[in-house]
Amino acid sequence: AQKVTQAQTEISVVEKEDVTLDCVYETRDTTYYLFWYKQPPSGELVFLIRRNSFDEQNEISGRYSWNFQKSTSSFNFTITASQVVDSAVYFCALSTGNQFYFGTGTSLTVIP
Amino acid sequence: EAQVTQNPRYLITVTGKKLTVTCSQNMNHEYMSWYRQDPGLGLRQIYYSMNVEVTDKGDVPEGYKVSRKEKRNFPLILESPSPNQTSLYFCASSLGPLPYEQYFGPGTRLTVT
Repeated sequence: AQKVTQAQTEISVVEKEDVTLDCVYETRDTTYYLFWYKQPPSGELVFLIRRNSFDEQNEISGRYSWNFQKSTSSFNFTITASQVVDSAVYFCALSTGNQFYFGTGTSLTVIP
Repeated sequence: EAQVTQNPRYLITVTGKKLTVTCSQNMNHEYMSWYRQDPGLGLRQIYYSMNVEVTDKGDVPEGYKVSRKEKRNFPLILESPSPNQTSLYFCASSLGPLPYEQYFGPGTRLTVT
């Protein structure tokens, strides 16, 4: 069975702090993709990043970085120097076969 | 503008009254999907469609129907809604299931009383 676990339900940080959102996944498939989506208070879902199961290189995009480790089945997301605009719910997702599986989300609040 | 549209955005209805939530995309995507979002449960896939006339169940299909008669449209049908179907619904589309990211509609908030 496929599963995505985001153990952190809510996180609060003060502006400019770094924060890491954890994502652990389960799948027996060898080919799969992992995603992160952002859901700001306005409610839309915004794609952030995609990573395939064969590419364990970490990725950095501005203040965002992602750490993919197959050995621990984790795909963690770090925001450096957080800003108020980063306040949102963040979802990790797994795609394998024809379906998508989302985690329960982590609600991040950045306090000014 | 490339987009996924859903209608209505908000709907309050009563138990047992059939309803349809429409979803349309203008990106010529083959893959379309419906999700429901509930507090503490994240997004769960209801149904998906690989192409016209090809649909399949996701994780929570009970109480829902879909159809895919045209590539751009993927309506979600609740033939006899019940209060446990009160939720926020998202339609999404992509070029395919792998390796593509999905583009989401704005969501439909449904309340069944």
